[in-house]
Amino acid sequence: GDSVTQMEGPVTLSEEAFLTINCTYTATGYPSLFWYVQYPGEGLQLLLKATKADDKGSNKGFEATYRKETTSFHLEKGSVQVSDSAVYFCAPPLGGATNKLIFGTGTLLAVQP
Amino acid sequence: DTAVSQTPKYLVTQMGNDKSIKCEQNLGHDTMYWYKQDSKKFLKIMFSYNNKELIINETVPNRFSPKSPDKAHLNLHINSLELGDSAVYFCASSQGAGQGAGEQYFGPGTRLTVT
Repeated sequence: GDSVTQMEGPVTLSEEAFLTINCTYTATGYPSLFWYVQYPGEGLQLLLKATKADDKGSNKGFEATYRKETTSFHLEKGSVQVSDSAVYFCAPPLGGATNKLIFGTGTLLAVQP
Repeated sequence: DTAVSQTPKYLVTQMGNDKSIKCEQNLGHDTMYWYKQDSKKFLKIMFSYNNKELIINETVPNRFSPKSPDKAHLNLHINSLELGDSAVYFCASSQGAGQGAGEQYFGPGTRLTVT
């Protein structure tokens, strides 16, 4: 069945380092791709989304481009801050009649001052 | 103003008990979801309702029964609680249920601990 493969964590970086969290998926034809972020003790919140192939989503300095040819949606940020420490989830929906998201396993990011 | 709220935030109970978790959203969305997040942060969908109709019912024990009295509320009742039910349960909502559906908004979670 359809699946999402996300980079395993934890990822530990120093402040102002460059971040990449890889995400690839097996199926094609997803209408939209999402990255969600979960800060400690909170629920998930949408970080960014891309709604079609080659579309780039961006928010709070994070970016991700929907690459249909490589079935990837890698998350990047040029300069991370301590406040970016959280768990990041990649999520392409299965589409069809329901908005059923399949989440990646989550990547814990720890940014040290 | 809280968009998706859940009660209680923490729930500690003994094996064999029956408990309920409540969820409410004030976003005017027509679709709501229950997710279970285990200790390794793995997130799995359990149920989804669209306009009070059950549309997603994953492989979940019969001890779990969702109920949606109206579009703004989705409750989860759990009978005969087991140790393995310990997890964080998240409620979420979205507008629409198909491919054109918007992103999901999550509640703060309910941490259930079964002893």
